[in-house]
Amino acid sequence: QSVLTQPPSVSAAPGQKVTISCSGSNSNVGNNYVSWYQQLPGTAPKLLIYDNNKRLSGIPDRFSGSKSGTSATLDITGLQTGDEADYYCGTWDSSLSAWVFGGGTKVTVL
Amino acid sequence: QVQLVESGGGVVQPGMSLGLSCAASGFSFSYNGMTWVRQAPGKGLEWVSFISYDGSNKYYADSVKGRFTISRDNSKNTVYLQMNSLRAEDTAVYYCARDYCSITSCYDSWGQGTLVTVSS
Repeated sequence: QSVLTQPPSVSAAPGQKVTISCSGSNSNVGNNYVSWYQQLPGTAPKLLIYDNNKRLSGIPDRFSGSKSGTSATLDITGLQTGDEADYYCGTWDSSLSAWVFGGGTKVTVL
Repeated sequence: QVQLVESGGGVVQPGMSLGLSCAASGFSFSYNGMTWVRQAPGKGLEWVSFISYDGSNKYYADSVKGRFTISRDNSKNTVYLQMNSLRAEDTAVYYCARDYCSITSCYDSWGQGTLVTVSS
């Protein structure tokens, strides 16, 4: 059971938009910056978004992040087949004194 | 460019010890915190441990606290993870990653991972 809650899977057709939610609490999402990671099959994770909504250099603007209260969101617009991957949110949990990841969301392009 | 190379993985019996290393290059290693993250087969990412840029602050997941020790040698640009009293549930690919952010950690560069298998 992850401290941060993500939907197990989301899907959409090419060109469409998907939204991945990351729900936490005041000890983590509510009071710390959230980052988002993409993990393609068989590869190491890759940082997409940091500090809630900043894109790492080289990340397409089709990827965007936001945060409101104790929930964060990753939006992927103009979905491409190459976006099929697992996506994880993460942040620091001040109560646990530990970094926490969400359980991951598998994005499928229909 | 930034490069992180893990080594030390392998097959080990339950209760035994194993040490992992992560050699860094392409950046000023002594300026960045470093972390270890693991991924059990077919499972999600699990954060394991973090060490600050100078080694003065160390944090551990509850699942490894008291058994794993993180350390670093800034003169060798290397971060280590000493794993003792290994259990079957420690079986995973272990990644090291660089802390890129200044307020809340975030991890922008990752190694290729090293597989640790705990089995009798």
